Amino acid sequence: AQSVTQLGSHVSVSEGALVLLRCNYSSSVPPYLFWYVQYPNQGLQLLLKYTSAATLVKGINGFEAEFKKSETSFHLTKPSAHMSDAAEYFCAVSGSGGYQKVTFGTGTKLQVIP
Amino acid sequence: NAGVTQTPKFRILKIGQSMTLQCTQDMNHNYMYWYRQDPGMGLKLIYYSVGAGITDKGEVPNGYNVSRSTTEDFPLRLELAAPSQTSVYFCASSYSSSARETGELFFGEGSRLTVL
Repeated sequence: AQSVTQLGSHVSVSEGALVLLRCNYSSSVPPYLFWYVQYPNQGLQLLLKYTSAATLVKGINGFEAEFKKSETSFHLTKPSAHMSDAAEYFCAVSGSGGYQKVTFGTGTKLQVIP
Repeated sequence: NAGVTQTPKFRILKIGQSMTLQCTQDMNHNYMYWYRQDPGMGLKLIYYSVGAGITDKGEVPNGYNVSRSTTEDFPLRLELAAPSQTSVYFCASSYSSSARETGELFFGEGSRLTVL
């Protein structure tokens, strides 16, 4: 079975500081990996997606993530946090059990302190 | 382009009542999904569909039923509502030309259901 583990249900950073949201995955086949963002009272939107083409994936709004097979990790980073980045972030995986079954982590709420 | 549309946005049910959450997409996506979101639990897959006439169970299917008679529509039926079904429900759709690829999921705005 596939799964993702997000370390830290809440993360606080100062405006302008580095954002690091952690995600570790488990999959018995080469996975697809995703980061989605959810703003209050909205559905989820795709930030970025890993499909094995490149280990460093760049997404929208200045976010990027690096796939590290040896560490089974796919951490999300942004060099400088903006107030508008405050949201909940979800890591997701597909592959084991079928590529159309997308499994989400429990989410990390990002707070940006002015 | 409306994307994924869910109705209703809010609903209160009494224990034992039944209802259907409607979901429609206008992007001609082949895959559709229903997730439920509970605080601190992330999203759990209830059911998904790989095309019209084909549905399959996700992680938490008990107490729910789905059908996919057209590409556009994927209603979720709750039979005999229970307090444990109080949640926010999200419908999503995606497109993939291959069963070995995963497309971007496009989500509706959610349906908040309370069972009292």
